[in-house]
Amino acid sequence: DAGVIQSPRHEVTEMGQEVTLRCKPISGHDYLFWYRQTMMRGLELLIYFNNNVPIDDSGMPEDRFSAKMPNASFSTLKIQPSEPRDSAVYFCASSPNPDRTFVDTQYFGPGTRLTVL
Amino acid sequence: AQTVTQSQPEMSVQEAETVTLSCTYDTSESDYYLFWYKQPPSRQMILVIRQEAYKQQNATENRFSVNFQKAAKSFSLKISDSQLGDAAMYFCAYRTALYNQGGKLIFGQGTELSVKP
Repeated sequence: DAGVIQSPRHEVTEMGQEVTLRCKPISGHDYLFWYRQTMMRGLELLIYFNNNVPIDDSGMPEDRFSAKMPNASFSTLKIQPSEPRDSAVYFCASSPNPDRTFVDTQYFGPGTRLTVL
Repeated sequence: AQTVTQSQPEMSVQEAETVTLSCTYDTSESDYYLFWYKQPPSRQMILVIRQEAYKQQNATENRFSVNFQKAAKSFSLKISDSQLGDAAMYFCAYRTALYNQGGKLIFGQGTELSVKP
């Protein structure tokens, strides 16, 4: 398996622009997670999905952030409009259903480094 | 709410020596999972080791082992025979075992480990 795939790996944009980050989870995994990593706040969970349904979005910082999972093999995290304080590394992770497989390890993608000027 | 604390922002070890990274957590739950993740300069998050709270036996993965003290809410990582490739940021993480709560991970702040040749 290729692992969790994220694109782009690097994104530089200007304040006010729309940014879309993409993630392809590992095939067969029921859960998908979006994390943000900054020096100030460390690693934070933004939102996670179970079988394409958003379960907990309490970590989404504000309405400028939205996430979708239209099918089991694709998810997007969108920021509109972007601001300099959104600059961070955004990780996507996936895991199998821990209650069914008794395996709850999360597999992380390589991350997207976002810079908002 | 659960919290995870890593009190050592930086650690250093000589190649081939042993180092221990500290982690404490706070929770009112009796069943949960604990993890150590490694993040090298490539930024990829790599699972190092996993411990189930209901297991008294400490987890071991090759040169990596943990000292899990449930009463003290402590979960330290020991790296034996340190290698240059072990240099990375290490994160301690907590996950509830409550049914149908998904795989939400709560991370500590991280410990930057350097390995001296």
